[in-house]
Amino acid sequence: GIQVEQSPPDLILQEGANSTLRCNFSDSVNNLQWFHQNPWGQLINLFYIPSGTKQNGRLSATTVATERYSLLYISSSQTTDSGVYFCEADSWGKLQFGAGTQVVVTP
Amino acid sequence: DTAVSQTPKYLVTQMGNDKSIKCEQNLGHDTMYWYKQDSKKFLKIMFSYNNKELIINETVPNRFSPKSPDKAHLNLHINSLELGDSAVYFCASSLRAAIGNTIYFGEGSWLTVV
Repeated sequence: GIQVEQSPPDLILQEGANSTLRCNFSDSVNNLQWFHQNPWGQLINLFYIPSGTKQNGRLSATTVATERYSLLYISSSQTTDSGVYFCEADSWGKLQFGAGTQVVVTP
Repeated sequence: DTAVSQTPKYLVTQMGNDKSIKCEQNLGHDTMYWYKQDSKKFLKIMFSYNNKELIINETVPNRFSPKSPDKAHLNLHINSLELGDSAVYFCASSLRAAIGNTIYFGEGSWLTVV
């Protein structure tokens, strides 16, 4: 099945900093999603992005499907951005999550 | 007013028991999901139903059986519970399957098997 790797596994940021999270996948995909899980366990779907670039406030995501990776950008990070960021790849019905990037934003 | 609600939120039970987790969404969505998150925070999709029809059935033990009485409900029944079933189970829904629609999650059900 498809393999999904996220990097870095952990990230500590000072409030206001920018960062990039990466998701590599081993096979072609028809869907790629990013999720955020806050420190209280709540899951939120951030982006559906099988290709191209999308922006939502301080977050944006880019997927280059031909090179099998997706990037999530966090700009001007805030403490509320803390949590775990997951990507999920869908290779025509075969779904696989990455192990996540744990992000801690310090005041 | 909760969009996706699941019950119970916490469940502690003994090995060998049978238990159910219920999920309801009031968003009018066609598609519902069950995800499992283990103690290492690995997430995995288990099942997906579109309009009461099973469309994703990942490799999970057949002790897990989803039931969708209508498109607003997707319940998860687990037979003969094992220690390894301890996890957080998330229910979710989206307008339609796969076509880029935002997925809305419930708050999770923490299952502990002792």
